[in-house]
Amino acid sequence: KAGVTQTPRYLIKTRGQQVTLSCSPISGHRSVSWYQQTPGQGLQFLFEYFSETQRNKGNFPGRFSGRQFSNSRSEMNVSTLELGDSALYLCASSPGLAGTYEQYFGPGTRLTVT
Amino acid sequence: GENVEQHPSTLSVQEGDSAVIKCTYSDSASNYFPWYKQELGKRPQLIIDIRSNVGEKKDQRIAVTLNKTAKHFSLHITETQPEDSAVYFCAAASNAGGTSYGKLTFGQGTILTVHP
Repeated sequence: KAGVTQTPRYLIKTRGQQVTLSCSPISGHRSVSWYQQTPGQGLQFLFEYFSETQRNKGNFPGRFSGRQFSNSRSEMNVSTLELGDSALYLCASSPGLAGTYEQYFGPGTRLTVT
Repeated sequence: GENVEQHPSTLSVQEGDSAVIKCTYSDSASNYFPWYKQELGKRPQLIIDIRSNVGEKKDQRIAVTLNKTAKHFSLHITETQPEDSAVYFCAAASNAGGTSYGKLTFGQGTILTVHP
């Protein structure tokens, strides 16, 4: 099976702009989780989507939002970008069903805010 | 919410030695504990995981132990090789209340360097 893919891989934006990142999960996986990775804060959970519904949410401001489509692909959006939003954004997919546990990560999108 | 502490932050060993990384968690409801390896510029890769109904799990040179009473779990790597050099992250998750394991809380990571 093909792994988790993310687009774009690199992005440079200006403060105040907005950005949309995309994640395609492993075929058959219905859960997509998003994480922000920075040197200072490490890996932090943003949110999880399952069957087009947000199932879990982390402690990020409302500028961070996401959605999931019927084919399980997911997007996350960050509005009014701040310098501190510069990070590697990782998504992870899992089957999402009871009794399943493993999450598999995509390569990430490196976002730089200037 | 859950808090995961990971130690040490850096670990340097000679090839062939063993390496041990320890994590503690705060939420007694956590019942799934994966470990990820992240090489420079690469995605985190799941290397081993353990559920709360077992105390130890082994896969070739790596093993994980869990002490639910003390709320800590450890990664053990034996016969280390230079290709084991990477950042290792522990994590914890809970499906309490019927929620999923989709929310992982990570430790801060351990930079492991294996010297030839």
